[in-house]
Amino acid sequence: GQNIDQPTEMTATEGAIVQINCTYQTSGFNGLFWYQQHAGEAPTFLSYNVLDGLEEKGRFSSFLSRSKGYSYLLLKELQMKDSASYLCAVMDSNYQLIWGAGTKLIIKP
Amino acid sequence: DGGITQSPKYLFRKEGQNVTLSCEQNLNHDAMYWYRQDPGQGLRLIYYSQIVNDFQKGDIAEGYSVSREKKESFPLTVTSAQKNPTAFYLCASSIPAGDYNEQFFGPGTRLTVL
Repeated sequence: GQNIDQPTEMTATEGAIVQINCTYQTSGFNGLFWYQQHAGEAPTFLSYNVLDGLEEKGRFSSFLSRSKGYSYLLLKELQMKDSASYLCAVMDSNYQLIWGAGTKLIIKP
Repeated sequence: DGGITQSPKYLFRKEGQNVTLSCEQNLNHDAMYWYRQDPGQGLRLIYYSQIVNDFQKGDIAEGYSVSREKKESFPLTVTSAQKNPTAFYLCASSIPAGDYNEQFFGPGTRLTVL
C-alpha cells in the first residue's frame, strides 16, 4: 500500500527553527510537495522537490532523499503566522497526489 | 484575478437529502479534483477530471457523483448513499498531469449533516 508518515503535532518558539519530517512509501515517485494549511482554509503551495537535495525559498527550505523515502521542511525565524498544518504529498506513478495527514505546528511566544 | 471559487462555504443538510457543491475556476486548467478532509487524516481523492466530459473515480467515490460539462466547472453531488458525509470538501485544479503538477485549491465547503 501507499503510505505517507508525518508527526501529528509539533511545538516551537517564535524566532526559532523547526524541522518537519515526512517519510513515504509509494508506487512510483514523480515529486514531493509541501503545502501549508491554516485552520479552516485551503492548502497553499510551499515547495516541490523531485531531485535529491535542498531547495531554499526564503525562510522555508525543503530537502529530499529519494533513496531513503524521506523529506523534511525546515522553517527558520519562526513567526506566529507560521502556526498552521503542514501537509506532505507525493505524486505517484499515475501522477496522483498521495497525502500525509499533516503536521500541526504550534508557535509559542 | 485568477482563482478557484467554491460555494457555499458552510452547508447544512438533513439526512437523506442530496446536495451539490459548486467549484468554478478561471485559471484555464484542464484538470480538476475533489478531495475530502477529515480531522487527523490526509486529503482523500473523491473524483478527478483531466478533460471536459471525462472524469475518474478516486479512492472514496462511493456515495458521490460529479459532472464536467464545462472546463471551468466541476460540481460535486453528495448523495444520500454517502454514509458519513460530514466533512470539509476541497476542490483543486492543475495543468494536465506531467512532471510538475502543482494543485491550486479553492477555499473549501464545510458540509454538516444534521
